[in-house]
Amino acid sequence: EDKVVQSPLSLVVHEGDTVTLNCSYEVTNFRSLLWYKQEKKAPTFLFMLTSSGIEKKSGRLSSILDKKELSSILNITATQTGDSAIYLCAVEAKGGSEKLVFGKGTKLTVNP
Amino acid sequence: SQTIHQWPATLVQPVGSPLSLECTVEGTSNPNLYWYRQAAGRGLQLLFYSVGIGQISSEVPQNLSASRPQDRQFILSSKKLLLSDSGFYLCAWSLGLWGYTFGSGTRLTVV
Repeated sequence: EDKVVQSPLSLVVHEGDTVTLNCSYEVTNFRSLLWYKQEKKAPTFLFMLTSSGIEKKSGRLSSILDKKELSSILNITATQTGDSAIYLCAVEAKGGSEKLVFGKGTKLTVNP
Repeated sequence: SQTIHQWPATLVQPVGSPLSLECTVEGTSNPNLYWYRQAAGRGLQLLFYSVGIGQISSEVPQNLSASRPQDRQFILSSKKLLLSDSGFYLCAWSLGLWGYTFGSGTRLTVV
């Protein structure tokens, strides 16, 4: 059974801290791994990592894919209260319909 | 540009009542469509996906069903709701993984 596990499940930090969120996966026919940020409603897309693009960066956020270890990390530097959200990791399970298998998410709370 | 509409935003229904949630996509043709449910502490779970009109695949056995009567319309239904059907339901569409976009969601509370 395809599985995505995220850790920690929740994290509380102070503004300015750097955080690392973890995602490990077990899926057949891996194609890509995606990170989403979910604040109040729908998740919004952050990064997609594939075999040809194992590292992505956007501002204070960056992500790396380790295909050997079947895992990925999402780093956020100089955190701000606006970074408070649930961060979801998802992996494409099989080809054709581009289904995504999601982890349970990491709830990040950034205190002022 | 492509947009996805999902309604209603919130819904409170009694146990045993029917359910119909609708999702429509604009600005694209022949998208893949998905229904996800997010239950507390369980992450996003894929319920149904569709690659074309009338083509529905179910990922988990449950009290729900889905239909795709038109290319850009995806409907989630139930004949009789259970308490366990409560949750946050998200519709999504994609043409490729980078086009994977979620609707704004429906918060369903079954009482």
